[in-house]
Order: sequence, then structure tokens, then C-alpha cells
Amino acid sequence: EAQVTQNPRYLITVTGKKLTVTCSQNMNHEYMSWYRQDPGLGLRQIYYSMNVEVTDKGDVPEGYKVSRKEKRNFPLILESPSPNQTSLYFCASSFTSGGNEQFFGPGTRLTVL
Amino acid sequence: QKEVEQNSGPLSVPEGAIASLNCTYSDRGSQSFFWYRQYSGKSPELIMSIYSNGDKEDGRFTAQLNKASQYVSLLIRDSQPSDSATYLCAVKGTYKYIFGTGTRLKVLA
Repeated sequence: EAQVTQNPRYLITVTGKKLTVTCSQNMNHEYMSWYRQDPGLGLRQIYYSMNVEVTDKGDVPEGYKVSRKEKRNFPLILESPSPNQTSLYFCASSFTSGGNEQFFGPGTRLTVL
Repeated sequence: QKEVEQNSGPLSVPEGAIASLNCTYSDRGSQSFFWYRQYSGKSPELIMSIYSNGDKEDGRFTAQLNKASQYVSLLIRDSQPSDSATYLCAVKGTYKYIFGTGTRLKVLA
């Protein structure tokens, strides 16, 4: 089954404790992206990657890091989480040519205390 | 100015009616346009994509794009209670996707 997976689905942590949210896709998509969704603000792009070893900032990159060492994986790293990073996070992937519809993972609800 | 604007709603329509959802965008260089449906607490689900001016139909859904007016819309015919959700408009430029904040649709049985 073609899908985007994220882990963990739910995470409660404390300020300053480094964490990683994993994202994996099995559709051979070149483009992968991370979003956060907050009430009233909609989906905002954090980082995106056009292909392996090619990443760039989205609209809200502060406090986040990413890496793209393999085509299928695109982890999101919060090195020192803060309460304002409490949010619902989505990973998405797509092809870069032709139809570039994004497909979303199930989401990770993160709470930083 | 928001880059992709949608009326937040809620938009209430009776079952069987046509729901009309609208979206405007600011970047004239935008190339691709998408409509997603999102149920509360769930991930966005792609409904339609549209890339050129005009209408595109898929079942009960029709997407309309007018690049001159920077306007994209979604029509849902024969609306069902299961269509009650938030509908997100997304616009892709060269590399980035920009989402609107969504319109909440309520279909009344």
C-alpha cells in the first residue's frame, strides 16, 4: 500500500529535550515536506526537500532541523523543543514533475511542557 | 496580506445542495492548485488538483481555476453529511506549497 508513515503519532516531552519525528514514504517521491498545523493559522511549511541531500527552509523553519540521506526518509529534529512548538505535525511527499499532488502522513501530535 | 485566502466559514448547506468553496491567491507565478479535505484531527486528503484555466470535474466535485483573477473554487454537488469537513486550498509555486486556513463545511441532514 502506497503511504506516508510518521512516528511517533503522539509525543509529550519537556522543554529542551531533543526529539526526532520520523517520516517515511514508499512511493519513490522526490519531494518531501514537513508542516505544522495550528488553530487559526492553517498548515505552514517548515522545511522541504527536493531530493536526497537537497533541503530548504519553508515559512517557519526556526527551531527545527531536517536531513535527507535516503530518498524514502525525511526526519524532523527538534534539538531544544520549546512550548511554542506544541502543534500537530504532518509529513507529506510528492513527485516533482508531472502531477505534484502531495500525500500526507497521519500526523504527529506534539506537546512540549 | 495572506498568500492564500479562504473564508473560514462555517458554510452550511442542506443535504443534496451544491456547496461552493472559494480561494484566492496572491502569487501570479503559482503553477499548481489543490483542494484537500480534512476531518477533525486527521490528515489532509487530496480531492482535486487543477493546473490550467477552466473546469475540471471528478464525480461530484468540480474545480474551477481562473489565473487572471487569481481565483480557484471547488463545487460539491449533491452534498452529503459525510462531506462535512474543513476544505483546504493549496497553491504551489516553484518549490513551496502554501495552504489557506480552510473553510469549514457543514452539510445539514
